[in-house]
Amino acid sequence: EVQLVESGGGLVQPGRSLKLSCAASGFTFSNYGMAWVRQAPTKGLEWVATISYDGSSTYYRDSVKGRFTISRDNAKSTLYLQMDSLRSEDTATYYCARPQLGRFAYWGQGTLVTVSS
Amino acid sequence: DIVLTQSPALAVSLEQRATISCKTSQNVDNYGISYMHWYQQKPGQQPKLLIYEGSNLASGIPARFSGSGSGTDFTLTIDPVEADDIATYYCQQSKDYPYTFGAGTKLELK
Repeated sequence: EVQLVESGGGLVQPGRSLKLSCAASGFTFSNYGMAWVRQAPTKGLEWVATISYDGSSTYYRDSVKGRFTISRDNAKSTLYLQMDSLRSEDTATYYCARPQLGRFAYWGQGTLVTVSS
Repeated sequence: DIVLTQSPALAVSLEQRATISCKTSQNVDNYGISYMHWYQQKPGQQPKLLIYEGSNLASGIPARFSGSGSGTDFTLTIDPVEADDIATYYCQQSKDYPYTFGAGTKLELK
């Protein structure tokens, strides 16, 4: 059974940093690209970033480019999202997801990030 | 960016048909495949994939869900609607980065 478990969310002040983790199990992690998708409170879904199976390629939405870094450790079956220079508009539940030809068949439960002073 | 437009809400009676539309600002087809996917999300839960590539039913999804369309016009149909289907439905394109979602259609009981 595919399982994705996010952690690392919390309350952080604007301009500070936070690092999210996603522990994967139930599949061969190193064979799959991975992604982060977020959802602001009471709002819709927003793709954030994608990383290839081996970490050699990464893709970001414009609003996080230069501030967020997606990475992975295949030996630990773990996905990361380093978030720097956080803004209030980054407040959201962040989901780890496994894409396949662009569709997200597997999602974690999400971790809430609140950016506020 | 490809913009996906959905109606905000749809009221439907149980055991009737619900038709949810998604219109895209650009063609999301490529080599005969529609890179359009549909998700269901209930409050407090993660999204669930229902339909992928326009019309393919995802694993474990009941056959009362179906998807159709091509190019820039797509439809998710639920027939018949059951009480458990009350949720918000999102379309998503993966033809081009950035992947984009519609704003969601909230399915409500009439």
